[in-house]
Amino acid sequence: GAGVSQSPSNKVTEKGKDVELRCDPISGHTALYWYRQRLGQGLEFLIYFQGNSAPDKSGLPSDRFSAERTGESVSTLTIQRTQQEDSAVYLCASSYRDGLREQYFGPGTRLTVT
Amino acid sequence: AQSVTQLDSHVSVSEGTPVLLRCNYSSSYSPSLFWYVQHPNKGLQLLLKYTSAATLVKGINGFEAEFKKSETSFHLTKPSAHMSDAAEYFCVVSGPFGNEKLTFGTGTRLTIIP
Repeated sequence: GAGVSQSPSNKVTEKGKDVELRCDPISGHTALYWYRQRLGQGLEFLIYFQGNSAPDKSGLPSDRFSAERTGESVSTLTIQRTQQEDSAVYLCASSYRDGLREQYFGPGTRLTVT
Repeated sequence: AQSVTQLDSHVSVSEGTPVLLRCNYSSSYSPSLFWYVQHPNKGLQLLLKYTSAATLVKGINGFEAEFKKSETSFHLTKPSAHMSDAAEYFCVVSGPFGNEKLTFGTGTRLTIIP
């Protein structure tokens, strides 16, 4: 079946502009995660959605970052007033809710802030 | 809080020789541990996972890992390297409730010498 999809695959933006990144999880997956991967580093957890529960936003680096999810489907990560340090690959993952379920990752969005 | 340390940022082995990628973890609870692989320009893929059952875990493509609580280690091994194993490997520890909030190591780049 279809995997996790993300769009755009690449985004170049000027410092100070806002960007929106989209994630479509696997159908039936109630949990959705956003991570950031800076060049040469591991993934940093950003935010976690689980069904209709309040999201876990503990990984968001600043109030310029926000994310929404429509029900148990698409999610949008928004970065306002982008800075050069926001340049990274942003990865989305989804999983089933219960137990120790594998997270399935999308291909990522490469964001470059100039 | 949990953390993961991958002891080698880069490992090179000859094709047909054994592979050892080292990982140490720290957590205040009984963790679940994973190894993910990231091939160039591809998404992250789960290799294997430890969930407090057998301490020797077998994964895909001939990889396996052994959970050693006394050493807080979860090293990844393969008896004989193949060219297709060249990739970035991440050791990952789960949050206290299982799947959410994965914490990634900084990664080990595996190079296979023909």
